[in-house]
Amino acid sequence: NAGVTQTPKFQVLKTGQSMTLQCAQDMNHNSMYWYRQDPGMGLRLIYYSASEGTTDKGEVPNGYNVSRLNKREFSLRLESAAPSQTSVYFCASRFMDTQYFGPGTRLTVL
Amino acid sequence: GQQVMQIPQYQHVQEGEDFTTYCNSSTTLSNIQWYKQRPGGHPVFLIQLVKSGEVKKQKRLTFQFGEAKKNSSLHITATQTTDVGTYFCAGTSGSARQLTFGSGTQLTVLP
Repeated sequence: NAGVTQTPKFQVLKTGQSMTLQCAQDMNHNSMYWYRQDPGMGLRLIYYSASEGTTDKGEVPNGYNVSRLNKREFSLRLESAAPSQTSVYFCASRFMDTQYFGPGTRLTVL
Repeated sequence: GQQVMQIPQYQHVQEGEDFTTYCNSSTTLSNIQWYKQRPGGHPVFLIQLVKSGEVKKQKRLTFQFGEAKKNSSLHITATQTTDVGTYFCAGTSGSARQLTFGSGTQLTVLP
């Protein structure tokens, strides 16, 4: 089992560019999550998907969109990147009450 | 909305000293979880507490959930260099299925 995988590991964008962060899990979990992590602020929930075909906003959804492509995959899209979106992005899936995190994507927006 | 505060933000200890981090919620929690993140890594689940006043131990780590289910603590006895990392608490309240994370405590252990 690979667990939760994320691509890419690192990305540098210019302001206004778009990109999609990919996340996949092979644990057959229903729920998946996208977080961003900024220094001193812990992890903040961007969007989550309780099951295939459903998505809901979290604490900081502005500037992002998500797609739950199937049970395995949950992608995060930045349509027009801004410097304020420079962060580390973690995807997670949930079994029972435990969340399993991917390795993260380190995104810099110039 | 629910807020989870965690203190201290940073802690430096000599190897062998004890360490404690505290977590306080603005609302009553259904449960509280603790995660550890090594430098450059991702959060890894450590434990979940559900019952009022619950205490759980994992080797040198002791986790407590307050009687009012609004606070929690993690205590590490005799720290080792392998304990280095950031420790996060995360809580769920009501029927919500989302976790609200504290801001974390970054632990440095000096050899």
